[in-house]
Amino acid sequence: DGGITQSPKYLFRKEGQNVTLSCEQNLNHDAMYWYRQDPGQGLRLIYYSQIVNDFQKGDIAEGYSVSREKKESFPLTVTSAQKNPTAFYLCASTSQQGKGEQYFGPGTRLTVT
Amino acid sequence: EDKVVQSPLSLVVHEGDTVTLNCSYEVTNFRSLLWYKQEKKAPTFLFMLTSSGIEKKSGRLSSILDKKELSSILNITATQTGDSAIYLCAVEYNDYKLSFGAGTTVTVRA
Repeated sequence: DGGITQSPKYLFRKEGQNVTLSCEQNLNHDAMYWYRQDPGQGLRLIYYSQIVNDFQKGDIAEGYSVSREKKESFPLTVTSAQKNPTAFYLCASTSQQGKGEQYFGPGTRLTVT
Repeated sequence: EDKVVQSPLSLVVHEGDTVTLNCSYEVTNFRSLLWYKQEKKAPTFLFMLTSSGIEKKSGRLSSILDKKELSSILNITATQTGDSAIYLCAVEYNDYKLSFGAGTTVTVRA
């Protein structure tokens, strides 16, 4: 079964702790993306990567970091520098180095208290 | 600043009604406009529109792009309770990034 998996589904952390969200795809897609979704707002782009070992900041990259060491994996670290980390995080991928529709994973809901 | 605006933000209809959702955009280097349906978790792809005036259809859903007016509409006819969801509009531009609107929440009552 091809698709995108994100883990965990729900994550709880204390303020001041870094946390890493997992995103894996077996679609052989080149490009991968991380979005954040808050109630009443659209998806906002955090980071994206069009090829392995390369990534770019999106619109709200502050307080986040990523790596792209393998084509199938694009983990996102939410650092303690992110002022308002509680949100729903979605990972997506697309073929052809970013052209065309994006396929989304099931998301991770992060709660920081 | 690039932006995508959807309207209305939410609406409630009864089964069998027709729904029209709007999406307008202001972006540089427009490439395509996409519609997604989000029920609980992952948004699922509905349509990708690149050419003006050509309607795309899938069952009871259809969509059309108007590049002159910088807008698109998504129609749902004979609505069912299973159509209840958030409908997201996104515009692909520049480095093939997507800019999303805030979404329209559709509630279909039996």
